Amino acid sequence: DGGITQSPKYLFRKEGQNVTLSCEQNLNHDAMYWYRQDPGQGLRLIYYSQIVNDFQKGDIAEGYSVSREKKESFPLTVTSAQKNPTAFYLCASRNRGNEQYFGPGTRLTVT
Amino acid sequence: QKEVEQDPGPLSVPEGAIVSLNCTYSNSAFQYFMWYRQYSRKGPELLMYTYSSGNKEDGRFTAQVDKSSKYISLFIRDSQPSDSATYLCARGSTLGRLYFGRGTQLTVWP
Repeated sequence: DGGITQSPKYLFRKEGQNVTLSCEQNLNHDAMYWYRQDPGQGLRLIYYSQIVNDFQKGDIAEGYSVSREKKESFPLTVTSAQKNPTAFYLCASRNRGNEQYFGPGTRLTVT
Repeated sequence: QKEVEQDPGPLSVPEGAIVSLNCTYSNSAFQYFMWYRQYSRKGPELLMYTYSSGNKEDGRFTAQVDKSSKYISLFIRDSQPSDSATYLCARGSTLGRLYFGRGTQLTVWP
């Protein structure tokens, strides 16, 4: 089965803790993306990576970090510097035809 | 000015109705357009993808792009309760970046 997996589905953390969200794809796509979705809002781009070992900041990168050591994997770390981390986080990958496909998402709650 | 403007609704229609969902965008650079469907607490699912002005049809769905007026639409014919979801429009640009509208929440009642 080809697709994008995100884990865990739900994540609870205390304020001040860093947390890492997993994103894996077996679609052989070069480009991968992280978005954040808040209630009643569209998706906002956090970080993206066009190729292994390279990534760029999106529109709301502050308080987040990423790595891209393998083509299949693009983990996102939400650091304690992120002011409002509670949100629904979505990972996506893009094929060469520019079609972007999403994973099932991780709902992060920080209290 | 937001890159993509989309009326959030909510929109409520009876089963069998034709649904029209609309977005406007502000940038005229190289671009392509997508419509996604998102069920509650799920990831968005790609419905339609188009580069050019005009209509593209796929089953009950038709995507329409008017680049002269910077207007994109999604029409759903013979709507079903299973179409109840949030519909997101997006404009794509170089480097594969997508700019999303806020999404329109649609309910189709039996």
